[in-house]
Amino acid sequence: DVKVTQSSRYLVKRTGEKVFLECVQDMDHENMFWYRQDPGLGLRLIYFSYDVKMKEKGDIPEGYSVSREKKERFSLILESASTNQTSMYLCASSFRDRGGETQYFGPGTRLLVL
Amino acid sequence: AQSVTQLDSQVPVFEEAPVELRCNYSSSVSVYLFWYVQYPNQGLQLLLKYLSGSTLVESINGFEAEFNKSQTSFHLRKPSVHISDTAEYFCAVTVPNDYKLSFGAGTTVTVRA
Repeated sequence: DVKVTQSSRYLVKRTGEKVFLECVQDMDHENMFWYRQDPGLGLRLIYFSYDVKMKEKGDIPEGYSVSREKKERFSLILESASTNQTSMYLCASSFRDRGGETQYFGPGTRLLVL
Repeated sequence: AQSVTQLDSQVPVFEEAPVELRCNYSSSVSVYLFWYVQYPNQGLQLLLKYLSGSTLVESINGFEAEFNKSQTSFHLRKPSVHISDTAEYFCAVTVPNDYKLSFGAGTTVTVRA
């Protein structure tokens, strides 16, 4: 069974803090994704990675960065958290270059920035 | 670029009644279409997908969706819902050779006894 795990289910941080969200997948997938989910907006792609050390901006990359040092791990970094980054963050993985391939999602991290 | 529109944000339904969730897509090329389900406090799970071939696709838990190219739609249906079908449902689209998905805003289905 494919497994995508996220380091925390719930996080509370203060404005200005640096925040790390970790995601690990065990299926040897090349692609990994970070989304944020907000009511009425669906899922919006923040960043994705198609290989180790490779990354591309998604639709809403401002205020975020990512790191992929190992194939199985993809980290999302909020350099200086702000209240408008309060959201649910979802990680996903899939095989490369197969448009019909399913994306597998982690359980999500609900982040509250005070 | 491709996009999807989910026409209903909330769908209340009684147990054992039928339900239809509407999804329309926009794309200038051929598409792959997906329905994902998100149960409360969980991540998304694939419900079903259309890649090619038969325009009617089915899931293991009784949902089905029909790809209609002329109407650019991929509506999801279930003839008789259960309380356990209460969830948020997302329609998504991609195109061949692109591994990014574009999601709709989601439809919340609430099943009442």
